[in-house]
Amino acid sequence: DAGVIQSPRHEVTEMGQEVTLRCKPISGHDYLFWYRQTMMRGLELLIYFNNNVPIDDSGMPEDRFSAKMPNASFSTLKIQPSEPRDSAVYFCASRRQGAQGYNEQFFGPGTRLTVL
Amino acid sequence: RKEVEQDPGPFNVPEGATVAFNCTYSNSASQSFFWYRQDCRKEPKLLMSVYSSGNEDGRFTAQLNRASQYISLLIRDSKLSDSATYLCVVNPRHNTDKLIFGTGTRLQVFP
Repeated sequence: DAGVIQSPRHEVTEMGQEVTLRCKPISGHDYLFWYRQTMMRGLELLIYFNNNVPIDDSGMPEDRFSAKMPNASFSTLKIQPSEPRDSAVYFCASRRQGAQGYNEQFFGPGTRLTVL
Repeated sequence: RKEVEQDPGPFNVPEGATVAFNCTYSNSASQSFFWYRQDCRKEPKLLMSVYSSGNEDGRFTAQLNRASQYISLLIRDSKLSDSATYLCVVNPRHNTDKLIFGTGTRLQVFP
């Protein structure tokens, strides 16, 4: 079975440019999560969706960040305009609705973003 | 104070050694606990869940101490392939699907 798919795997852009990261969750999974990982702050949750509806976006750093999930098999995370401090690895993860306490998330390979 | 705290390491141990990591969490209402493993430049993957009674999976043993709000992971007979970063993960409360990740403890096993 295909795992979580993310694209692009690497992105290098200049400050001020728009960046769009893409994610395809595992088929049948009801939840989708976007994380950002840096050496200093570790893995931080940005936003998550349940059945394509955003549930908690309290981790989104500021208005420059936006995320959408137009259908069950696709989500985007957009940064506009990008800044050097946005450089990080961005992970998408998904999981199935399950019994209480069942929380295994499956991560994609990540997008390594560098903003110059 | 961070919600989940771990010693970043690195822990450098020889093959065959036993090594233990601890992790503390701040929210006493936390419900579920996990250890994830992350290899260098790869995505995190679930290693094991942590149950109140403690649980074992081969060479790996996880324990939970709710009174002191800490979780531990013990690795026996370390292998070179155990070299990775181990992330302590907490579901902070009953009515949330969020997971809070620690920044990880790096383990390096040498021959």
